[in-house]
Amino acid sequence: AQKVTQAQTEISVVEKEDVTLDCVYETRDTTYYLFWYKQPPSGELVFLIRRNSFDEQNEISGRYSWNFQKSTSSFNFTITASQVVDSAVYFCALRPLYGQNFVFGPGTRLSVLP
Amino acid sequence: EPEVTQTPSHQVTQMGQEVILRCVPISNHLYFYWYRQILGQKVEFLVSFYNNEISEKSEIFDDQFSVERPDGSNFTLKIRSTKLEDSAMYFCASSTTKGQRLDSYEQYFGPGTRLTVT
Repeated sequence: AQKVTQAQTEISVVEKEDVTLDCVYETRDTTYYLFWYKQPPSGELVFLIRRNSFDEQNEISGRYSWNFQKSTSSFNFTITASQVVDSAVYFCALRPLYGQNFVFGPGTRLSVLP
Repeated sequence: EPEVTQTPSHQVTQMGQEVILRCVPISNHLYFYWYRQILGQKVEFLVSFYNNEISEKSEIFDDQFSVERPDGSNFTLKIRSTKLEDSAMYFCASSTTKGQRLDSYEQYFGPGTRLTVT
């Protein structure tokens, strides 16, 4: 069975602090995709990143970075120098190679305080 | 940039009524999906649709739900007799391929329709 766990339900940081959102997944597949989505208060799902399971290279995009560790089944997301606009719920998701549906984690609500 | 659109943005209906949620997927996409998010909870897969038929569905997608692609552009989710627990945000998504090519998969989500059943 596929499962995504985001142990942090809510995180509050002060602006300019760095913050890491944890994601741990379970799958029996050897090949799969991992995703992060941002859901701002307006409700839409904003795609942030997709990672293939065979590519463990970490990725940086501006203030965002992702650390994929296949050995520990983790795909953590770090925001550097957080800003108020980063306040949102962040979802980690897993999609098996041959399935069609996403399995979402429960989300982490991030509040960045001015 | 092409995007998935959904109408209405908010639908209020009475328990027992039928509702149809509408989605316009990205024009060259072939696979279509519905997801549901009950307020404050995670996003859950409902159904995927390809070549005018359901290709996969979750246990949430019971007989009160149906999907249809009535024309070349719309993709609809019908809830036959709404219940209070159907109140949620419903997301439509589309993708070009089934994703069996490792580098080709991408699901694009619409902005969602918030359904409130009273």
